[in-house]
Amino acid sequence: KQEVTQIPAALSVPEGENLVLNCSFTDSAIYNLQWFRQDPGKGLTSLLLIQSSQREQTSGRLNASLDKSSGRSTLYIAASQPGDSATYLCAVRPKGAQKLVFGQGTRLTINP
Amino acid sequence: DTAVSQTPKYLVTQMGNDKSIKCEQNLGHDTMYWYKQDSKKFLKIMFSYNNKELIINETVPNRFSPKSPDKAHLNLHINSLELGDSAVYFCASSQAGANEQFFGPGTRLTVL
Repeated sequence: KQEVTQIPAALSVPEGENLVLNCSFTDSAIYNLQWFRQDPGKGLTSLLLIQSSQREQTSGRLNASLDKSSGRSTLYIAASQPGDSATYLCAVRPKGAQKLVFGQGTRLTINP
Repeated sequence: DTAVSQTPKYLVTQMGNDKSIKCEQNLGHDTMYWYKQDSKKFLKIMFSYNNKELIINETVPNRFSPKSPDKAHLNLHINSLELGDSAVYFCASSQAGANEQFFGPGTRLTVL
């Protein structure tokens, strides 16, 4: 059974810092991994999708990496801004399953 | 242009009532999903439909009955609501295959 863990559960950093969020999963048999952002009381916004054959994806100040064999992904946020404050969710799509398995998220606060 | 929309956004009801949540996507996707986010913010798959056919029912009580009248719609009907059904319900869609899932804004259900 696939399980996804995100560490830390919460993170608070000053504005301007670069930071890394971590995601680990127990079964390397995945189709892809997706990072989302969730603002309080809002839906999920897809940030990056990494296919199982890929090592990383970049979008603006965000860079996500995938090491499938070790069951790990990181989301790197460069030059953080207060507007980046949100909960970041990692989810994997297991092979043979039309669904996403989510981690419990990292609540990120960027202090001005 | 909302890609995945849900109605209503908020739903407050009494125990024992029957209620429905509607979901529509205008992305031309062939797969739609319902996820439940509990009070601890943990997101879990409930159902997955591909081309109007049920492909995942993740041990959800049979009081929950999804209905897909066409590829663009997936509605969720809940009978005999219980206190434990209180949660945020998210609809999502994707194209079949290892593709990105897009989420709706969520429906916050409160059962009193």
